[in-house]
Amino acid sequence: QLQLQESGPGLVRPSETLSLTCTVSGGSVSSSSYYWGWIRQPPGKGLEWIGTIYYSGSTYYNSSLKSRVAISIDTSKNQFSLKLSSVTAADTGVYYCARLAWGVGFDPWGQGTLVTVSS
Amino acid sequence: EIVLTQSPGTLSLSPGERATLSCRASQSVSSRFLAWYQQKPGQAPRLLIYETSTRATGIPDRFSGSGSGTDFTLTISRLEPEDFAVYYCQQYGSSPPAWTFGQGAKVEIK
Repeated sequence: QLQLQESGPGLVRPSETLSLTCTVSGGSVSSSSYYWGWIRQPPGKGLEWIGTIYYSGSTYYNSSLKSRVAISIDTSKNQFSLKLSSVTAADTGVYYCARLAWGVGFDPWGQGTLVTVSS
Repeated sequence: EIVLTQSPGTLSLSPGERATLSCRASQSVSSRFLAWYQQKPGQAPRLLIYETSTRATGIPDRFSGSGSGTDFTLTISRLEPEDFAVYYCQQYGSSPPAWTFGQGAKVEIK
């Protein structure tokens, strides 16, 4: 059974870079059948897609975040990572990683990790 | 960029009743790329429906999806206590590749 687990600092200072890693178990990020994505949710609000990566390294980003986002993949560690630069309080929220099957959707999801941007 | 608008924002119903949730797109969406998710408090979202009407693995048949073009619907035929949650529609657009969620719709106990 595929499982995803987010990890990284729960507190990030304004203007700094948020860095999170998603570790995949029970499956491989090298699979050609799937993509891998990051989605976030501000407190009490809805879901926002951040970006998606394929095992080859191809990436797709939300246009509203594109200038600040970088997603990478490490097939040797079976992980993929998110970096979001120049964060502000508006970047506070729960960050989820998920597997994406093209034409199906995001499934399954990690449990999510809360990141707070504050000095 | 395609915008998804869900209605109503909140639906107050009793167990056993039928729930109908709407998702309207700002421009036509391929029915291949319209999905629905359920999220309960403190939990990650769960995929319910993909390709507009296909139930994901393990999803009970009281959940059904329909629609085409710009109008899509999630129906829960008879609400069970565990169905009270927030529901999101989501679409994929290819130019450029992007995944968009609706703002969510809450089904609450009346």
